[in-house]
Amino acid sequence: DAGITQSPRYKITETGRQVTLMCHQTWSHSYMFWYRQDLGHGLRLIYYSAAADITDKGEVPDGYVVSRSKTENFPLTLESATRSQTSVYFCASRRGGPLDEQFFGPGTRLTVL
Amino acid sequence: QQQVKQSPQSLIVQKGGIPIINCAYENTAFDYFPWYQQFPGKGPALLIAIRPDVSEKKEGRFTISFNKSAKQFSLHIMDSQPGDSATYFCAARAGGNMLTFGGGTRLMVKP
Repeated sequence: DAGITQSPRYKITETGRQVTLMCHQTWSHSYMFWYRQDLGHGLRLIYYSAAADITDKGEVPDGYVVSRSKTENFPLTLESATRSQTSVYFCASRRGGPLDEQFFGPGTRLTVL
Repeated sequence: QQQVKQSPQSLIVQKGGIPIINCAYENTAFDYFPWYQQFPGKGPALLIAIRPDVSEKKEGRFTISFNKSAKQFSLHIMDSQPGDSATYFCAARAGGNMLTFGGGTRLMVKP
């Protein structure tokens, strides 16, 4: 299907385990973003990427790792999950210009026990 | 540190009412102010956006009012409907790539 997809949609893991959240977009958008959504905090940017092999930190990058070997994929890895990383994670993409619309995926609800 | 402060956190109105959601910012470098609408279980979707060179923008029943001197902007929903019940986020961007979001407002429109 065209658009932006995330997998899995729901994930339960334990403290200390490695978890990877996947994001795939079919538009060939240059920019991709990872946000986490927590009650009262809105959406906070974790990492973003301007193109393949170009990534940069956002507001809350600690504990997360990203990579972007292909334009269409932007996985987010929690190397050693902590309970504070329990959240809903959204991937987003944008074509190019700063005024271009940013499209969000459906989200992944992650619970760290 | 939240650079965009949004209020109220929740809002209940009757059908036909005009809910107003307010946002305030400090960073004068912000030059793009979008509003996003999010339904339960879905990702946010762009609703309407404004640049600081205009004071008001309307799209259908949704209006953004912008006060550059006060560093405030607000969303008004005219003739609100139960289908408008959602969470609304204001955001701002300072010419770069990062959108800074407000904390969100959960709106309920009662039939």
